[in-house]
Amino acid sequence: GENVEQHPSTLSVQEGDSAVIKCTYSDSASNYFPWYKQELGKGPQLIIDIRSNVGEKKDQRIAVTLNKTAKHFSLHITETQPEDSAVYFCAARAGTYKYIFGTGTRLKVLA
Amino acid sequence: DADVTQTPRNRITKTGKRIMLECSQTKGHDRMYWYRQDPGLGLRLIYYSFDVKDINKGEISDGYSVSRQAQAKFSLSLESAIPNQTALYFCATSDDQGASTDTQYFGPGTRLTVL
Repeated sequence: GENVEQHPSTLSVQEGDSAVIKCTYSDSASNYFPWYKQELGKGPQLIIDIRSNVGEKKDQRIAVTLNKTAKHFSLHITETQPEDSAVYFCAARAGTYKYIFGTGTRLKVLA
Repeated sequence: DADVTQTPRNRITKTGKRIMLECSQTKGHDRMYWYRQDPGLGLRLIYYSFDVKDINKGEISDGYSVSRQAQAKFSLSLESAIPNQTALYFCATSDDQGASTDTQYFGPGTRLTVL
């Protein structure tokens, strides 16, 4: 069935370093790939997304890359700060409503 | 004020009890969703609704029911709660502007514990 694998499950980086989270999806019909940040006690919030007709998108310190051939997409955070510490989820949309979510990555930025 | 609100935020109940979780939104979106989040499993879709007259089952609807009382309100019910329904529940909304845009906006979540 449809599946999104996300790695790593936990990631610790020093403040100022970069962090990379990777996802692989199974449904080749997926056409939209959002990334969510979930802070403690809050719901997931969209931080960046990418559509299947684009290979890369950047928003300040955050970037997402998509390789449709390999069915991989990745989140890149540069110059990490303590407030980047959170759980990050990737998702792939199949069809017009159905999102398949990854299992999450807990990012810790060490000061 | 938050665009998507959920009540209650926390609930502890006993096996066999009926529970209702409520979701309200002020975003004016037609589409609303209920998800369940378990550790290590990500978010899984329980039910979704594209408008007041449209209700659809998601991948894990067994043991749950929903009611779309208005465009802004979407409630999730557990008719007879069981311990494996202990989880974090999220409501979400989206605005269908076509297949290319359907960003989901999540509420703050309800933590449900079934003893």
